[in-house]
Amino acid sequence: SQQGEEDPQALSIQEGENATMNCSYKTSINNLQWYRQNSGRGLVHLILIRSNEREKHSGRLRVTLDTSKKSSSLLITASRAADTASYFCATDGETSGSRLTFGEGTQLTVNP
Amino acid sequence: ETGVTQTPRHLVMGMTNKKSLKCEQHLGHNAMYWYKQSAKKPLELMFVYNFKEQTENNSVPSRFSPECPNSSHLFLHLHTLQPEDSALYLCASSQEVRVASYEQYFGPGTRLTVT
Repeated sequence: SQQGEEDPQALSIQEGENATMNCSYKTSINNLQWYRQNSGRGLVHLILIRSNEREKHSGRLRVTLDTSKKSSSLLITASRAADTASYFCATDGETSGSRLTFGEGTQLTVNP
Repeated sequence: ETGVTQTPRHLVMGMTNKKSLKCEQHLGHNAMYWYKQSAKKPLELMFVYNFKEQTENNSVPSRFSPECPNSSHLFLHLHTLQPEDSALYLCASSQEVRVASYEQYFGPGTRLTVT
């Protein structure tokens, strides 16, 4: 079954730096989504990119998708301490219907 | 606030107890989901409801019993749980289930500890 796998597992940077997180998956997808989770809280949707899109922006977020490599990246520019959270990618495929498959996440720490 | 609320936020229960988790969404969505999040493991989908009908049960043990009386409310009834069931239980909703191109809105979760 397809599964998003984030890389790295943990990332620690200084405020103002850019943070890049990667996600790889195994089978063809329809969409890929990125979510953020603050410690002990629910997930918050950040951005959705469709399989026919290559890049998408939302504020300080930039997501790329390379279907030939079955990978996506999430770039957070000019990071802030408030960006400290876990970031997850989630994929769905032609046969998965409503099912989203989540990766294990990247724990991002932004130091002030 | 995502428009999805969950109660209680924390729950400690013994293995012989019966308790229920409640989820309510104020977004007018038609699909609702239960997920389990354990430490060091990916989010696990447990149940999916679409227009009050269960459309997916991801091989969840019968000690977890979902109930969806209407499109806005979702319950998870718990009975004779095991310590390994301790986890964060997340409820989510989306516009509908037909395709997953709709983003899911998550509640804050219930932190469950089984003693």
